[in-house]
Amino acid sequence: DAKTTQPPSMDCAEGRAANLPCNHSTISGNEYVYWYRQIHSQGPQYIIHGLKNNETNEMASLIITEDRKSSTLILPHATLRDTAVYYCIVRPDGSGNTGKLIFGQGTTLQVKP
Amino acid sequence: DVKVTQSSRYLVKRTGEKVFLECVQDMDHENMFWYRQDPGLGLRLIYFSYDVKMKEKGDIPEGYSVSREKKERFSLILESASTNQTSMYLCASEAWNRDEQYFGPGTRLTVT
Repeated sequence: DAKTTQPPSMDCAEGRAANLPCNHSTISGNEYVYWYRQIHSQGPQYIIHGLKNNETNEMASLIITEDRKSSTLILPHATLRDTAVYYCIVRPDGSGNTGKLIFGQGTTLQVKP
Repeated sequence: DVKVTQSSRYLVKRTGEKVFLECVQDMDHENMFWYRQDPGLGLRLIYFSYDVKMKEKGDIPEGYSVSREKKERFSLILESASTNQTSMYLCASEAWNRDEQYFGPGTRLTVT
């Protein structure tokens, strides 16, 4: 079962920041927060991941609360091409784990002109 | 850029046929995965492999087998296709340090 909770859908105006929340209240100390997205009819695409510090890359920023029970993915200037299903996933690090990603239902982000 | 390719985007097979789905990655990744994706059920792991000739069952291995004879290639085999195996099949690969998984474009399989 997915260990995260996300809103089923969100809208965002083109050019504005999209802030996608995720709750992961049962996250363990060795679990990372990952974000992937899936554009219609394509395979999922990695966006970003983090443990406890905020992270930023060319695609997005990840803000993780101090207690690590929730996080927010920020797309700073959303475009129509960012319309997709966004998945928040917690995943343990270290050997002995399958490494599988457990995808929940995600958030469908609709970017509107 | 990492590239994960799958042999077909769309495939139609008959019940009882043996089906091969091929996945190839070009980044020398150790780990490879097969998932299936169904509406309302999300992505579910079928099999994975950490090395050549190694395979591990995922959450839903029944009715499937896999083969990894070369590091870059991971094949999913449906021994006798059934209609409940109609689905989108996604292959993924990642390096040993498990930083991020790279997915192929998917194969939409229809079994009639």
